Amino acid sequence: GNSVTQMEGPVTLSEEAFLTINCTYTATGYPSLFWYVQYPGEGLQLLLKATKADDKGSNKGFEATYRKETTSFHLEKGSVQVSDSAVYFCALSQAGTALIFGKGTTLSVSS
Amino acid sequence: DTEVTQTPKHLVMGMTNKKSLKCEQHMGHRAMYWYKQKAKKPPELMFVYSYEKLSINESVPSRFSPECPNSSLLNLHLHALQPEDSALYLCASSQDSQGRRYEQYFGPGTRLTVT
Repeated sequence: GNSVTQMEGPVTLSEEAFLTINCTYTATGYPSLFWYVQYPGEGLQLLLKATKADDKGSNKGFEATYRKETTSFHLEKGSVQVSDSAVYFCALSQAGTALIFGKGTTLSVSS
Repeated sequence: DTEVTQTPKHLVMGMTNKKSLKCEQHMGHRAMYWYKQKAKKPPELMFVYSYEKLSINESVPSRFSPECPNSSLLNLHLHALQPEDSALYLCASSQDSQGRRYEQYFGPGTRLTVT
């Protein structure tokens, strides 16, 4: 079955550091891929998406590229801020089926 | 700003109570979802309304029952809950009905505590 694996946290960084959160997936065919962010006490917000191979999703300085050959969708940001502290979920959806989430990665950024 | 709204934001209920969670989306989407999220875990799908049909995660107990009065509203009726049902309940919506677009947009959630 389809699945998503993302790196275990927590990830602890200083402000302005470079961020990478790894995400790989298992799926038949061509799923759509997403990154969601959840701030403390809130619901999930769609951060970015990619729907086909080599697509790059980007938003608020975050980027991720859909790599079919490595079945990956790693999240990157060049310079993190304290306000980026949150839980990040990688997810996939295939043909309109329900989202399949990774376990989530907690990011903590200190000033 | 979220275009999926949920009420109430917090709910405390006893095991003999009956209550309802409400969700409304303002994006013209035709698919809506209920998820349950425990602390430090990803959301788990409970129900999907799409193409005016209900799909159920078979592991969800019958003390949870969804209702979809129209394409923009989704309720979750609760009765005889157990303490382990305490969680954050999230509503989401997506385009569907042939409009496709598989990304889901989430509401802020209802924090439920069962005593």
